[in-house]
Amino acid sequence: AQKITQTQPGMFVQEKEAVTLDCTYDTSDPSYGLFWYKQPSSGEMIFLIYQGSYDQQNATEGRYSLNFQKARKSANLVISASQLGDSAMYFCALTLMNRDDKIIFGKGTRLHILP
Amino acid sequence: DVKVTQSSRYLVKRTGEKVFLECVQDMDHENMFWYRQDPGLGLRLIYFSYDVKMKEKGDIPEGYSVSREKKERFSLILESASTNQTSMYLCASSLPGDINTEAFFGQGTRLTVV
Repeated sequence: AQKITQTQPGMFVQEKEAVTLDCTYDTSDPSYGLFWYKQPSSGEMIFLIYQGSYDQQNATEGRYSLNFQKARKSANLVISASQLGDSAMYFCALTLMNRDDKIIFGKGTRLHILP
Repeated sequence: DVKVTQSSRYLVKRTGEKVFLECVQDMDHENMFWYRQDPGLGLRLIYFSYDVKMKEKGDIPEGYSVSREKKERFSLILESASTNQTSMYLCASSLPGDINTEAFFGQGTRLTVV
């Protein structure tokens, strides 16, 4: 069965430091996509970054990058130069090609940025 | 601006009531989803739909049903609300068959069953 594991329930990071949020996934499908979402205290889910299983390069979007290690089945989110506004819940998610289109989420990591 | 709108932000209902949570999207997406979010459990899929009148059970469908009579609208129904259904409910939509497309979420409905 497909699964997403986020092992860090919570993290505290000093402002301006880089932070890595861990995500491992489990699937036997060769074609899949990995997403990261941010959920601030207001509750809305904000899409951050996407990585496809066949993408040769790691995805980057501004201060966000995805450290994709296919053999290890990991897709860690890296936030450079963290800001107070990065304090939020972060979810890693998996979708599968050639299957149903459902999206599987991890349990999330709550990130606290300290001033 | 693309949008997924949930009918209520906060809802309080009594045990045993029939509860309707409505979700509307304006992006002409085929796929729509209902998730439940609880602390420490992440987002768990209740039901999803590929098209009008189509529905598939997710991981926790017990106690819920859904309706999709029109493409833009996906309703979640709690047939007889119970206190263990107190939770945050999130609706989402996406395009089909393309793993490169993210899901768009509504603002969430925080349901309290008393």
